[in-house]
Amino acid sequence: DVVLTQTPVSLSVTLGDQASISCRSSQSLEYSDGYTYLEWYLQKPGQSPQLLIYEVSNRFSGVPDRFIGSGSGTDFTLKISRVEPEDLGVYYCFQATHDPLTFGSGTKLEIK
Amino acid sequence: QVQLQQSGAELVKPGSSVKISCKASGYTFTSYDMHWIKQQPGNGLEWIGWIYPGNGNTKYNQKFNGKATLTADKSSSTAYMQLSSLTSEDSAVYFCARGTRELDYWGQGVMVTVSS
Repeated sequence: DVVLTQTPVSLSVTLGDQASISCRSSQSLEYSDGYTYLEWYLQKPGQSPQLLIYEVSNRFSGVPDRFIGSGSGTDFTLKISRVEPEDLGVYYCFQATHDPLTFGSGTKLEIK
Repeated sequence: QVQLQQSGAELVKPGSSVKISCKASGYTFTSYDMHWIKQQPGNGLEWIGWIYPGNGNTKYNQKFNGKATLTADKSSSTAYMQLSSLTSEDSAVYFCARGTRELDYWGQGVMVTVSS
């Protein structure tokens, strides 16, 4: 199975500052069709996960442009510029390239 | 608007089975995969499998072979997951989520508690 390693495990950020989360894969996530199916989800406290980013860098409908996904191959990053109170929660990366589909172990974002 | 409405919490006995549902609305049910995801208390997310309601095709995480069975009823736009031979390790919240590659809409989750 593909292992996604997220760092850091937790992150405490001052409002208005930038946060950065890394997701490293044990295998390349580029699929045979040329696309890379790496996504980012945010699970706010007491809620279901919500899609933020798909195919590495595409923001889902309604996601603010403060959320920026980047990377290729096995190394991926989610940057959140100008962190706001509603950004707190656990961030997960997820790969849909290889079966079984797998999630990273999560990064908890706290507000200082 | 797309909505996935899941059934209510379940308290079930060890060794029994449970079937939970996910009713879809706001889109063509038969045109998208429906995925199922497990989240144990305080833990991360684990992908169980998907079903394509258009033709009933399924794909499972091997870990859940024999544990989870995915079905779908086109007439009611409802996806189901049956969990069998339940143990305490199956106590978790189970989510359904629509998607092909990305999981763009999620249900609210169903808490399944396995206890005697």
